[in-house]
Amino acid sequence: DAKTTQPPSMDCAEGRAANLPCNHSTISGNEYVYWYRQIHSQGPQYIIHGLKNNETNEMASLIITEDRKSSTLILPHATLRDTAVYYCIVRVATGGGNKLTFGTGTQLKVEL
Amino acid sequence: SAVISQKPSRDICQRGTSLTIQCQVDSQVTMMFWYRQQPGQSLTLIATANQGSEATYESGFVIDKFPISRPNLTFSTLTVSNMSPEDSSIYLCSVERTGGVTEAFFGQGTRLTVV
Repeated sequence: DAKTTQPPSMDCAEGRAANLPCNHSTISGNEYVYWYRQIHSQGPQYIIHGLKNNETNEMASLIITEDRKSSTLILPHATLRDTAVYYCIVRVATGGGNKLTFGTGTQLKVEL
Repeated sequence: SAVISQKPSRDICQRGTSLTIQCQVDSQVTMMFWYRQQPGQSLTLIATANQGSEATYESGFVIDKFPISRPNLTFSTLTVSNMSPEDSSIYLCSVERTGGVTEAFFGQGTRLTVV
């Protein structure tokens, strides 16, 4: 699985958009970009994934650059409950059994 | 999604003893995974457990220290053997849903403190 690079921490004001970047310059053509988050003392929670098109769901939007070497997770209206560590992971998405390799993630702190 | 229950949620254990952590899933899954998260660190995969076969361990983890059982498609256990304070971590169970794009789901974890 390709390695990802994320900033160690970010701050965001409540109600504003949180934009979390991720670099994955060695991503392969069959690897998807996944985002998970881990709120303190809980197990990781799936947020969103994508291959090359931008994706949106009820939690977030995922913007993937055309060359697929980087992506941005967008939380459109961050709340205090979005304070968590956010992990960007790339992996082959089909067939199962392809382990998730967690990097160090980005600690997002949402403040009043 | 998948609902994963882990027991115990936390424990404090004496060094030299062993603890068995249980993971129960609300539906049948082929693959189950055990992770360790040391204090202030990210998650590290310990092993992959398939029903009916021996678990596959990642580099740095051995069966004698972390024996795993997978008796059926909804249940698995991880034992942390002969514990030392360095084993103090959160241990997490995870499963995958395949069929289309794979998604992974995690239990809430077992917070282990070894004294």
